Amino acid sequence: DTGVSQDPRHKITKRGQNVTFRCDPISEHNRLYWYRQTLGQGPEFLTYFQNEAQLEKSRLLSDRFSAERPKGSFSTLEIQRTEQGDSAMYLCASSSGGAGNTIYFGEGSWLTVV
Amino acid sequence: RKEVEQDPGPFNVPEGATVAFNCTYSNSASQSFFWYRQDCRKEPKLLMSVYSSGNEDGRFTAQLNRASQYISLLIRDSKLSDSATYLCVVPLRNSGNTPLVFGKGTRLSVIA
Repeated sequence: DTGVSQDPRHKITKRGQNVTFRCDPISEHNRLYWYRQTLGQGPEFLTYFQNEAQLEKSRLLSDRFSAERPKGSFSTLEIQRTEQGDSAMYLCASSSGGAGNTIYFGEGSWLTVV
Repeated sequence: RKEVEQDPGPFNVPEGATVAFNCTYSNSASQSFFWYRQDCRKEPKLLMSVYSSGNEDGRFTAQLNRASQYISLLIRDSKLSDSATYLCVVPLRNSGNTPLVFGKGTRLSVIA
């Protein structure tokens, strides 16, 4: 399968713990995006990378959230000191760049904070 | 105006019906638009791209109205399998370096 891969698919954690999600984009794609989606809402943009450079971060991305893409391939999204409001599906997507280029999503990582 | 706005529905239609959704956007300079489909608890998947001349793919037709800043999605001869949430997507800005912004989605239920 050469699509976008995310891991873990499901994570249940206690409030206050740190969690990290990993995303492996489609191999030839230089752009990688993180979105968050809660029930009844569309995906909300969090941040995106072009190669290893983080080009933009949403105001939704509080200081507890950090994303990296150190070698321009896979990316990690870490949430520190999780809160119940962080419970959501975290979607990673990739594209070959450009505003008109289609983005392809992974299956998402479901986070439940208890 | 929000960047992207959609009627959340739900639209409940019988099999074989024709249904249309609209989506309004705020960035008048946007050049490309998309419709994504999302099944329950799954990731969004591209349904159609929408360019200035619109787009048709089988039973699905997407059109762009620049003057009124909306795009539409028309589904003809609805199937049970069309039941899903349809997400309208536009670039946040009209530049090469811009993320895509998603609407909240319109939920469609096709009923036998």
